[in-house]
Amino acid sequence: GAVVSQHPSRVICKSGTSVKIECRSLDFQATTMFWYRQFPKQSLMLMATSNEGSKATYEQGVEKDKFLINHASLTLSTLTVTSAHPEDSSFYICSGGQGLSPLHFGNGTRLTVT
Amino acid sequence: ELKVEQNPLFLSMQEGKNYTIYCNYSTTSDRLYWYRQDPGKSLESLFVLLSNGAVKQEGRLMASLDTKARLSTLHITAAVHDLSATYFCAVVDPNTGNQFYFGTGTSLTVIP
Repeated sequence: GAVVSQHPSRVICKSGTSVKIECRSLDFQATTMFWYRQFPKQSLMLMATSNEGSKATYEQGVEKDKFLINHASLTLSTLTVTSAHPEDSSFYICSGGQGLSPLHFGNGTRLTVT
Repeated sequence: ELKVEQNPLFLSMQEGKNYTIYCNYSTTSDRLYWYRQDPGKSLESLFVLLSNGAVKQEGRLMASLDTKARLSTLHITAAVHDLSATYFCAVVDPNTGNQFYFGTGTSLTVIP
């Protein structure tokens, strides 16, 4: 089946640094990529939606300058957390989809900011 | 904004018992998904329900969709410990095509 590869699976960084998370669709072309954030024991919160070649659409309350999303090709989307702070520590999940098919989720990235 | 609520949020049940998880959503939608999430892991797709009255079954899990009531159910039959996980329903916003809205999640613990 379709696979979405997300990397890294875990990252620890110091406060003030930036972290890039990659999401690749391995055997399908994801025209749309979604980025989610999940706090412990909570649901997934949609952060932004990106379409290949265009600017991402951010959900209300999500800082576009802090969470930079790039969707340069049909198989790659990146999320960069800039000037990370401890409150940015979370589980980030990407997903890609086509048409009516269910979204295919990456394995998630556990970000810890110290 | 489309809202999706699940009930119950937490469920502890003994092996061999049956139970149903409910998923209510606020806006008309004709696509609903169920996912399973194990601790520290991402989401695993369980079911896709695409029409009113749709029913899907896989092993001890059965999902159904009533679009008129804006309700989906995930029924667990004769639970086993391996089913312990968090289950999410997700509804597609018809106004935005592929945008998913996730339910609050139901944390299921099956006690041997």
